[in-house]
Amino acid sequence: DGGITQSPKYLFRKEGQNVTLSCEQNLNHDAMYWYRQDPGQGLRLIYYSQIVNDFQKGDIAEGYSVSREKKESFPLTVTSAQKNPTAFYLCASSIGARSGNTIYFGEGSWLTVV
Amino acid sequence: KNQVEQSPQSLIILEGKNCTLQCNYTVSPFSNLRWYKQDTGRGPVSLTIMTFSENTKSNGRYTATLDADTKQSSLHITASQLSDSASYICVVTGGAGGGADGLTFGKGTHLIIQP
Repeated sequence: DGGITQSPKYLFRKEGQNVTLSCEQNLNHDAMYWYRQDPGQGLRLIYYSQIVNDFQKGDIAEGYSVSREKKESFPLTVTSAQKNPTAFYLCASSIGARSGNTIYFGEGSWLTVV
Repeated sequence: KNQVEQSPQSLIILEGKNCTLQCNYTVSPFSNLRWYKQDTGRGPVSLTIMTFSENTKSNGRYTATLDADTKQSSLHITASQLSDSASYICVVTGGAGGGADGLTFGKGTHLIIQP
């Protein structure tokens, strides 16, 4: 089936630890995104990538890093510099980053700091 | 500052009843407006996308309206079903060039359908 696969669904991070969330898509989309969702808040953009080997910071990039070595993959690393990482993380993709293109979301990953 | 305000914050209705969710925005310039449905713990799924020239768009029991003059949109759900229980998110695209960094998300309306 075509879609966006995020893993793991649930992840626990210890203080001072880096963790990486995986995002893979087989939709042949050029653009990929990472959003963070907190309870009662709207989605906030962390990073996005319009093409392989290129990515841009979103509104809340501090404490996060990404890579885009392959078109299908856009992993997000939550570093120890992110002081409040507990949240629901959503990966998304679209044909391109133009405003008229529908953004498709993965099923999300829950990250909890223990 | 671009903003999207949704109301009500939460809503409880009985199965079979209709309901209307509201979205007001101050995004400028406006490109398009989307409604997404998000089940608890899942990713959002697109319901409709509306451009400046569109007033009404339907997707099954979901009907979205857009008034670009007053910068308001509504999502009407007809004959609600238990599976409609979810959060409904309004997303407005605007700003120079649009694109990924031109999306403004509302906080969503949490809808609960009771049997």
